[in-house]
This record gives sequence, structure tokens and C-alpha cells, in this order.
Amino acid sequence: NAGVTQTPKFQVLKTGQSMTLQCAQDMNHNSMYWYRQDPGMGLRLIYYSASEGTTDKGEVPNGYNVSRLNKREFSLRLESAAPSQTSVYFCASSASDRGAGNTIYFGEGSWLTVV
Amino acid sequence: GEDVEQSLFLSVREGDSSVINCTYTDSSSTYLYWYKQEPGAGLQLLTYIFSNMDMKQDQRLTVLLNKKDKHLSLRIADTQTGDSAIYFCADHRSGGYQKVTFGTGTKLQVIP
Repeated sequence: NAGVTQTPKFQVLKTGQSMTLQCAQDMNHNSMYWYRQDPGMGLRLIYYSASEGTTDKGEVPNGYNVSRLNKREFSLRLESAAPSQTSVYFCASSASDRGAGNTIYFGEGSWLTVV
Repeated sequence: GEDVEQSLFLSVREGDSSVINCTYTDSSSTYLYWYKQEPGAGLQLLTYIFSNMDMKQDQRLTVLLNKKDKHLSLRIADTQTGDSAIYFCADHRSGGYQKVTFGTGTKLQVIP
């Protein structure tokens, strides 16, 4: 029972390099999210996709792009990595983007260091 | 902007009760959540409470909501070493999940 799977788990990038974080869910969920977690700042929403074919900016979208490839997959791209993007990234999904107790399921996280 | 605040650290002895506190600023919050994050893992939903409720109990977990003071707490009875984790409070304002705001997290350390 995989749930939300994200890759890679760990990555070190040089400033200016690009990379894509991959995420897939096998729960037939409509909505998917990318968060970043930084010490003392909780989780902040980068981008979300309420349903297949739509994406919207969250709280901290600058420096990132996303693609909702299909219903299962939602990728996050860093075009030109900066040290400020060193963080733990979490992909998440939920059955829809609204409703009581509509549980958000999280992946295990991707640790990204930009040097 | 909307804020959700928590203390960063709590230490309790095994068998005691733990109380993790959270304050939020947005009066339009409709649901409030508690998530648990174990080391190296993502967040898992523990419980949630509707904003029109004062209390919710689920086995060892008790959630108290004081809407007037915008204060939420999570009480864990008979705390075990397996409860050691980071606990996140989150509030959901009407309009969808893109409006869920997470607190900074409280690291609970359980001393055997």
C-alpha cells in the first residue's frame, strides 16, 4: 500500500542547477500539493493542483514550477536552484480540495541541499 | 496574515499526560487539525475538530478548542515513548485545502 511516493529522498545540488522532484499517488485522489518544511516555519504551500489539468500558486511559489502530468503524478521543478531552496519538500494528496475531514496524505519527504 | 503558533518543545515522563498548545489568529477557521510527524517521515493526521465543537475525544487523545481565545490543545493521556514526534497544529479556512495553515510544530520528547 504505497500511498504517496516521492523521489528522490536526498539530493545535493549546486547553485544554478535544475532538478525535478517526482511525486505519485495511488489513491485515485483528485488534489495534490507540494509543501516545503523549514525549521521554525512549519509547512508552507508551494503549489497545489485541485484536480487534473489545474495548478495554482500557494504561499511560496517563486523559483518553482509544477506539472500535473496526469491524475497520479505531480512534479515540482527547480529551474535554477538557490541556497534559499535548501529544505525538506513534501508532496501530499487528498480526495478533493475541500470538505470536512478530507485527510491530506503526505509522502515521506525529499531532503534537498543547495550548495 | 494568518498565523498558527505553537511552542517548539515539550518534554514529559512516560506515563504522564502531555498537553500541546496552539493559538491561531483567523476567526474564520472551520476545522482545526493535529498532525504527527515521526523522524524521517511525512505528516499523519491524528485528529481534527470542527470549529463549532469544544471538545473531541479519541482514545488517548483529547482535543480542546476555545474559539473565543482562538486556542487549541491536544492532550495525550498516558504518554508513551512511541508518542515522541513533532506535532503540528493546522487550521483550515473555508475555501479549500489550499487554505490550510500549519503551525511551526512542537517536538514532544518522552523520557522513559
